[in-house]
Amino acid sequence: DGGITQSPKYLFRKEGQNVTLSCEQNLNHDAMYWYRQDPGQGLRLIYYSQIVNDFQKGDIAEGYSVSREKKESFPLTVTSAQKNPTAFYLCASSRSISYNEQFFGPGTRLTVL
Amino acid sequence: SQQGEEDPQALSIQEGENATMNCSYKTSINNLQWYRQNSGRGLVHLILIRSNEREKHSGRLRVTLDTSKKSSSLLITASRAADTASYFCATDAVDSGYSTLTFGKGTMLLVSP
Repeated sequence: DGGITQSPKYLFRKEGQNVTLSCEQNLNHDAMYWYRQDPGQGLRLIYYSQIVNDFQKGDIAEGYSVSREKKESFPLTVTSAQKNPTAFYLCASSRSISYNEQFFGPGTRLTVL
Repeated sequence: SQQGEEDPQALSIQEGENATMNCSYKTSINNLQWYRQNSGRGLVHLILIRSNEREKHSGRLRVTLDTSKKSSSLLITASRAADTASYFCATDAVDSGYSTLTFGKGTMLLVSP
């Protein structure tokens, strides 16, 4: 089955710790995205990548970092610099940055204790 | 700032009734998309309408776009309990520095049996 997987589904972390969220796709898509969703809110773009070894900041990149070493993978690191990291994180991909019908993973719920 | 804003924030109907959700946006767009999100899950793409289109159908879904009013509506006909979800519009703005989507805060639809 083609699709996007995110792991883990639930993640708990102590304040001051960095944590990395996994996102993998086997759709052969060039573009990948990370969003943050807070309760009752829409999605806000954290980072996106148009192609391997390239990525750009979205609207709320502060306190986050990404890498895109492989086409299939776009991991997101939530650093200790992120002031309010507790949220639902969604990864998505699209065929390209201009063909932007997006396919979403199931999400990772991060809770900072 | 959010490009798209859905209205109403929440909608409660009985099975068999039609559900209409609206989306307003601020700047010129290339296309407008509607997504669905079941509670605690990722988003699923429903339909895309381009700026030169006025209406589009997909099964029980009907989307209209009025670029002069910068608004769109999503109609779900003969609703079912399984349609219970949040629905988001997403716009691809013409004058954005990058071609990514901006999501609204969503309409939460509850369909009662």
